[in-house]
Amino acid sequence: AQRVTQPEKLLSVFKGAPVELKCNYSYSGSPELFWYVQYSRQRLQLLLRHISRESIKGFTADLNKGETSFHLKKPFAQEEDSAMYYCALSPSLRRALTFGSGTRLQVQP
Amino acid sequence: EAGVVQSPRYKIIEKKQPVAFWCNPISGHNTLYWYRQNLGQGPELLIRYENEEAVDDSQLPKDRFSAERLKGVDSTLKIQPAELGDSAVYLCASSQGTEAFFGQGTRLTVV
Repeated sequence: AQRVTQPEKLLSVFKGAPVELKCNYSYSGSPELFWYVQYSRQRLQLLLRHISRESIKGFTADLNKGETSFHLKKPFAQEEDSAMYYCALSPSLRRALTFGSGTRLQVQP
Repeated sequence: EAGVVQSPRYKIIEKKQPVAFWCNPISGHNTLYWYRQNLGQGPELLIRYENEEAVDDSQLPKDRFSAERLKGVDSTLKIQPAELGDSAVYLCASSQGTEAFFGQGTRLTVV
């Protein structure tokens, strides 16, 4: 069975500090991995996916197959980054997502 | 483009009553998902449609939940009868093979 673990429910940092949101997964094959974000009073939206290898809003995430991790990182946090972040896994693009329980990021001024 | 549209946004019902949620996916998206999100948790899949066919409904509690997607466009999710434990946010999402786009969700409170 596939599983996504986000060990931190809350991560609080000061503006300008580095951020790392942890995500570990278990899956027997080679999954697609995603980070979704939900800002206050907004819908869940895709932040980035590992196959794109892109940086969105300064965030990056590297897939480490050896450690089965997909941690989300940003070198300098901004107040507007405050949101709920969900790591998710899918066996393939059309298949359903399995989500972690989410991490709330609070960026303090 | 309005994105995925869900209604109602909020619903409060008494236990044992029926309730229905409606979803209009993004035009042209063949894949439609219903997820349930309990408080403090990530969304969990209830059912996935490819066009009008339910291709993954293994997590749908079929004794009280039902869903349909007539003509492969809009979808309805129904609970009958509702239980206290059904209180959650019900999310609809659609996809055309790349990313899934989510609706605003329906927050259901069963009292």
